[in-house]
Amino acid sequence: AQKITQTQPGMFVQEKEAVTLDCTYDTSDQSYGLFWYKQPSSGEMIFLIYQGSYDEQNATEGRYSLNFQKARKSANLVISASQLGDSAMYFCAMRGANTGNQFYFGTGTSLTVIP
Amino acid sequence: NAGVTQTPKFQVLKTGQSMTLQCAQDMNHEYMSWYRQDPGMGLRLIHYSVGAGITDQGEVPNGYNVSRSTTEDFPLRLLSAAPSQTSVYFCASSPQRGNYYGYTFGSGTRLTVV
Repeated sequence: AQKITQTQPGMFVQEKEAVTLDCTYDTSDQSYGLFWYKQPSSGEMIFLIYQGSYDEQNATEGRYSLNFQKARKSANLVISASQLGDSAMYFCAMRGANTGNQFYFGTGTSLTVIP
Repeated sequence: NAGVTQTPKFQVLKTGQSMTLQCAQDMNHEYMSWYRQDPGMGLRLIHYSVGAGITDQGEVPNGYNVSRSTTEDFPLRLLSAAPSQTSVYFCASSPQRGNYYGYTFGSGTRLTVV
């Protein structure tokens, strides 16, 4: 069975500091993709970053990076130099090649950036 | 390029009423799905489709029907609304092949059943 676990319901970070949002996953697939989405208070779901299971380097997109540790089955999101606009819900998701290409989502982490 | 269009954005229903949430995408994506989002529970899959004429159930299908007559459209029908169906509903689409494709989400429908 596929499962995504986000153990931090809420996180706080000081503006301009870095923050790590945790995500662990469980899958029997050898080939899979890991995704992070941001959901601001306005409600839309915004794609942030992708990591493939065969990618040897950690993915980066601007201030976002994904700390991928395959052996530990973790895919933590690191946000550097936090901004007030980073306050939002963040969802980790996985898509497996051998599970009908279905997406599995974690329960999310609410991040609040403090000025 | 409109992406994924969901209508309506807000809806209030009375218990027992039926309605259809509309979802359309213009990216020629094979894979479409419906999720509901409830506080503390993340996104739960209701139904999904891997192409026109093919649908399947997700994690929480009871009380909902779907059909996929065209690649573009994937409506979600609530047969007899119940207060437990009060939620935010998202439609999403993706190319079917390859686990490296992420979802494109619609803007969501906030449904309240009274």
